[in-house]
Parts: sequence; C-alpha cells; structure tokens
Amino acid sequence: ETGVTQTPRHLVMGMTNKKSLKCEQHLGHNAMYWYKQSAKKPLELMFVYNFKEQTENNSVPSRFSPECPNSSHLFLHLHTLQPEDSALYLCASSQDLLRDSFENEQFFGPGTRLTVL
Amino acid sequence: AQTVTQSQPEMSVQEAETVTLSCTYDTSESNYYLFWYKQPPSRQMILVIRQEAYKQQNATENRFSVNFQKAAKSFSLKISDSQLGDTAMYFCAFMISKYSGAGSYQLTFGKGTKLSVIP
Repeated sequence: ETGVTQTPRHLVMGMTNKKSLKCEQHLGHNAMYWYKQSAKKPLELMFVYNFKEQTENNSVPSRFSPECPNSSHLFLHLHTLQPEDSALYLCASSQDLLRDSFENEQFFGPGTRLTVL
Repeated sequence: AQTVTQSQPEMSVQEAETVTLSCTYDTSESNYYLFWYKQPPSRQMILVIRQEAYKQQNATENRFSVNFQKAAKSFSLKISDSQLGDTAMYFCAFMISKYSGAGSYQLTFGKGTKLSVIP
C-alpha cells in the first residue's frame, strides 16, 4: 500500500449505531487530519494531530471522537450520528506542523462515503 | 477569517483546448500560500499547483499554470491542452504562512468547480 488509505470506502449506519473509520498513511508523516466534505459546501477541517497529539478540534460535535494511536494511524469513532452527518470523510497527512505551510503538503486519502439513515 | 470563492460551479472544455478556472480570496494576512487541488471521480484529492504570495512570478506545472493577482486577491488556474483525465472537481485553497505569526496551518477551501473535458 502506498500513500494514504482509508477503510471502509462506503459505510451505511443507523443513528443508534457505533462505527469507526480508519486511516493509514505510508508516507512517514507525523501530522494527520480529518476533513468532512458535504455536497455544495467547502471542505471542513475537523481534527488535526501532530506527533499523535491533537492540536485542533474545530468545534466538532462530541458524537465524533478521533483517536491517533501512532503517527501512521488515525481513527474517527462515530456514535449516535444524525442524517446531516452523511458526507464524504477525508483523511490527510503531512510531514508535520513544525514546517511552514508551503513545505507541508497535505496528501489525501480516497475518503469514506458515510450515509446515516 | 479567510474566505475562498470559486464562482463557477461547473465548466466544460473541449479536449486539447484551454480552460481557466477562477478563484478569489479574502484575507488581511500578508504572508500566505495558495493551492489548487484536483479531485477526480475516484475521489483521491491531489495537489496540482501552489503559489507563494510573496513571489511575483506565476507558478507553472507542465500544462497547469496560475495567474496570481495579489492586489485583486485573485488566483486563477489555466489548464492548457486539456485531456480527458483532467475531468475532476478543482478546489482552490488558502493557507496562512506559519511565519506570519498567526500559526495557522488550516487549509481554507472554496466550494469547487466541476470541470468536464469533452472528447
């Protein structure tokens, strides 16, 4: 595997379910990101981790719970979601947040298409 | 707060022709970077081209080039000799330079332009 991978690619869940999205990067990066991509809206940054430490939480509801056990893996745990949470969830990684933005290109995964019924 | 506006939700271009996608942004920062990302139907988003705001010279990457007008806060993408593989959503994005003191590493994206290349 190369680059950034995400599993599953598609997920359908009910509002009472608990599920997790997984992201893995094979680039030796130390920063990882979760984004939400909804139709007709710009990408929204949700969480940022740098060297396994969470550095950003963009006012995301607590029904989304991230976990970063190491620099290569990032999870997004989901519980009691709402239909409006249906979206494409993208994971990205970059070298680390100590570098300037220009040197810190973000590499994206293919996304998980989430549908909440 | 920064905003990025892409005023063309959809565009189409004939294969081998040239197309320009527009992007405007708003910021009070002086040190920042601008990016164009491409998201093909398979959804993996990739970086197409990037521009440092303090550089006057427009960035180019093979068939892709930008027209950066700092005073007008405009950052358009020109695709020359369009190919079928260029069919994708194109996102303009903005990031403040870490060295501006704001410390932000957040990418602010526009809503995207859906480009279709017609054979």
